Amino acid sequence: KNEVEQSPQNLTAQEGEFITINCSYSVGISALHWLQQHPGGGIVSLFMLSSGKKKHGRLIATINIQEKHSSLHITASHPRDSAVYICAVRRIGNQFYFGTGTSLTVIP
Amino acid sequence: GAVVSQHPSRVICKSGTSVKIECRSLDFQATTMFWYRQFPKQSLMLMATSNEGSKATYEQGVEKDKFLINHASLTLSTLTVTSAHPEDSSFYICSARETPGTGVLGYGYTFGSGTRLTVV
Repeated sequence: KNEVEQSPQNLTAQEGEFITINCSYSVGISALHWLQQHPGGGIVSLFMLSSGKKKHGRLIATINIQEKHSSLHITASHPRDSAVYICAVRRIGNQFYFGTGTSLTVIP
Repeated sequence: GAVVSQHPSRVICKSGTSVKIECRSLDFQATTMFWYRQFPKQSLMLMATSNEGSKATYEQGVEKDKFLINHASLTLSTLTVTSAHPEDSSFYICSARETPGTGVLGYGYTFGSGTRLTVV
């Protein structure tokens, strides 16, 4: 069993839809990261969370430490949001564990 | 915000040659940098942890003589793939941990944009 599980693995949405990607983890962590990987492979750090909620533009990330769960929300989705979204957790000893990613396709 | 510059973004090399990948923190000091590898449709896997001024710590199964890591300054770590073979073709990415008190993240991590290596 992976330490980090993401769902769904694949997601197709119509432009404008509200999107949620979920991440569950089974280890104690000091922080959780959401990453965006584009088709060429380049990775962008979206959020680093240790509690609560963060918002950046149309992106919202939440984390529930007690339930070991985080969600990434995209409001008013756009085709340019199409990418793979990766959840990564950092343990107390600074080891990272990565989810296998959620491939999002937003159709115009 | 904190930025990590990784260069090159893409490289194609001949089998048997060596390739150097640079990971540079632009506006903060990074005592520790991490190197990851990603095979197609798989998750990122940690290869090694690089500490400024000391030897890197490699994960089990990673050949340290093949993947040479040098972290000579607080802003630069390099990964050299020596005597590259087609099976080394992969996506390599670094992340940097900000040295506390030196930047804007407050002890955070930032990822480079990655390097796609193709060995022909």
